[in-house]
Amino acid sequence: QQPVQSPQAVILREGEDAVINCSSSKALYSVHWYRQKHGEAPIFLMILLKGGEQKGHDKISASFNEKKQQSSLYLTASQLSYSGTYFCGTYSGGSNYKLTFGKGTLLTVNP
Amino acid sequence: DGGITQSPKYLFRKEGQNVTLSCEQNLNHDAMYWYRQDPGQGLRLIYYSQIVNDFQKGDIAEGYSVSREKKESFPLTVTSAQKNPTAFYLCASSIREAINQPQHFGDGTRLSIL
Repeated sequence: QQPVQSPQAVILREGEDAVINCSSSKALYSVHWYRQKHGEAPIFLMILLKGGEQKGHDKISASFNEKKQQSSLYLTASQLSYSGTYFCGTYSGGSNYKLTFGKGTLLTVNP
Repeated sequence: DGGITQSPKYLFRKEGQNVTLSCEQNLNHDAMYWYRQDPGQGLRLIYYSQIVNDFQKGDIAEGYSVSREKKESFPLTVTSAQKNPTAFYLCASSIREAINQPQHFGDGTRLSIL
């Protein structure tokens, strides 16, 4: 079952902040975040692990709430280059080690 | 540089025809994956392989087939049984059984029906 991402789309002005959420109906062991520009390969952003610390890179960070089975991606002081579709991929245990991706959140940053 | 190479970039299929999408990686990864991407649907898993000569069906395997004869190669065949093949196909690889390691993606193949 796909995790649910919200919002589906968001439009920002350069310098504004955004939060993208990823929720699952299953217990989560890890959450992966990727960004994809149209027609290109998804690019890895970060991984959140159950019991792990909040991750961050430059002005993009993420948290993992195990009780709520939810992860949130925080984009601070957005730049034009942040535009794209953000996907979360979740791993809920088992020996298959496969990710289930959400439908994505389209982020548009305007000047 | 290490990476994943998908070919061709664009592919057209005629009715009743099977077509094969190529995926090669030189990252020395054991695990490889095929995803289908449709507008607004995210990435849906078609097949995946954790090791050579072994693979498993993903969520939407009907109408597709794969092989894994070599560690670096994981070709996907879209058969005539797949009635709606038009989509963007992405191949990925990762370290085996690693929930704390990223998947690396190729640049994709866009398949259309003639």
